[in-house]
Amino acid sequence: GENVEQHPSTLSVQEGDSAVIKCTYSDSASNYFPWYKQELGKGPQLIIDIRSNVGEKKDQRIAVTLNKTAKHFSLHITETQPEDSAVYFCAASIGSNQFYFGTGTSLTVIP
Amino acid sequence: KAGVTQTPRYLIKTRGQQVTLSCSPISGHRSVSWYQQTPGQGLQFLFEYFSETQRNKGNFPGRFSGRQFSNSRSEMNVSTLELGDSALYLCASSLVPNDYGYTFGSGTRLTVV
Repeated sequence: GENVEQHPSTLSVQEGDSAVIKCTYSDSASNYFPWYKQELGKGPQLIIDIRSNVGEKKDQRIAVTLNKTAKHFSLHITETQPEDSAVYFCAASIGSNQFYFGTGTSLTVIP
Repeated sequence: KAGVTQTPRYLIKTRGQQVTLSCSPISGHRSVSWYQQTPGQGLQFLFEYFSETQRNKGNFPGRFSGRQFSNSRSEMNVSTLELGDSALYLCASSLVPNDYGYTFGSGTRLTVV
């Protein structure tokens, strides 16, 4: 099955700086790559996603890039704010509702 | 509109017992999936239901089962609980399978003692 690796496991940045989280996947058939934010006591919340026919997608301070050849994708958060502090998960799927998740990145934004 | 509702939020059970968790999807959503989240294994897919039929199943023992009702509500059951079943169980719903508008509930925290 698919294997998704995520790095780093923890990340601390100063408020206003950028944060980058990287994921690799193993199955070249994967075609959908969502990113989720999970706050304490809550379920994962979709923040951005990208499909395999697109190389980059942006939504305000958040962007995701996908390199299909290298089988990796990254989340970029610019101008970080304290409320961005949370655990972030990447995932990959082959067009189904069975997602393979990375192990998560705990992001701390220091005011 | 109401989100995905999971009940109960917290549950403590004894090893060997069985447990049933409930998930009410967003109104109009007909596809429901379940995931187990643990610190060691992360988020792992359990199963997916659509139109009362199981479409996909993850790599979990037969002690884990589920079902979906005609109103799209879903339940999952774990029999003969083990200490390692302690986890956050998450339910997610979408309009139909392969629909990328996938919304998670807040989960049921199960502790097995």
